[in-house]
Amino acid sequence: AQSVTQLDSHVSVSEGTPVLLRCNYSSSYSPSLFWYVQHPNKGLQLLLKYTSAATLVKGINGFEAEFKKSETSFHLTKPSAHMSDAAEYFCVGTSLTSYGKLTFGQGTILTVHP
Amino acid sequence: DAGITQSPRHKVTETGTPVTLRCHQTENHRYMYWYRQDPGHGLRLIHYSYGVKDTDKGEVSDGYSVSRSKTEDFLLTLESATSSQTSVYFCAISDQDGDNQPQHFGDGTRLSIL
Repeated sequence: AQSVTQLDSHVSVSEGTPVLLRCNYSSSYSPSLFWYVQHPNKGLQLLLKYTSAATLVKGINGFEAEFKKSETSFHLTKPSAHMSDAAEYFCVGTSLTSYGKLTFGQGTILTVHP
Repeated sequence: DAGITQSPRHKVTETGTPVTLRCHQTENHRYMYWYRQDPGHGLRLIHYSYGVKDTDKGEVSDGYSVSRSKTEDFLLTLESATSSQTSVYFCAISDQDGDNQPQHFGDGTRLSIL
């Protein structure tokens, strides 16, 4: 069965410092993995996706994520946080067995302090 | 942003009344999805459609029905609303139901049932 676990429900950083949001997955098959961001009262916006072409994936707004099969992880990083990055982030997976159905992590709320 | 419009954006209604939410897309994507988002549960799939008049149930389909008479419109109906259906509802679209295709989300409908 496919599952996605976000290891932190809340992360707090100062503006200009690095961001790390952690995600682990479990799947019987090679997964496709995505990171989405949700700002208040808005829908989910795709940040980046991993589809086995490259283990280091670059996304929008300076975010990137690295797929590590040995660690079953897909952590999201950004070198320098901006105030506008404050939002909720979702790690999302799918697999061949789910025929495109998404499995959502529980979400991580990122707070950015001035 | 993907061309997805959800209507209404906000609705308050009473228990026992019928409610219909509309999702309209301008992307001509084949696949459309309805989710609900609740604290502590993340996003859960209600129903999805893989073509005109082709729909199937998701993980929380009880109490909901859907219809898709045109490619661009996907309707979600609560035949007799209950307080447990108070939630934020999101529509999503995808051009393929493959394992590496992300879904793109609308801005949501906030539904309160009193």
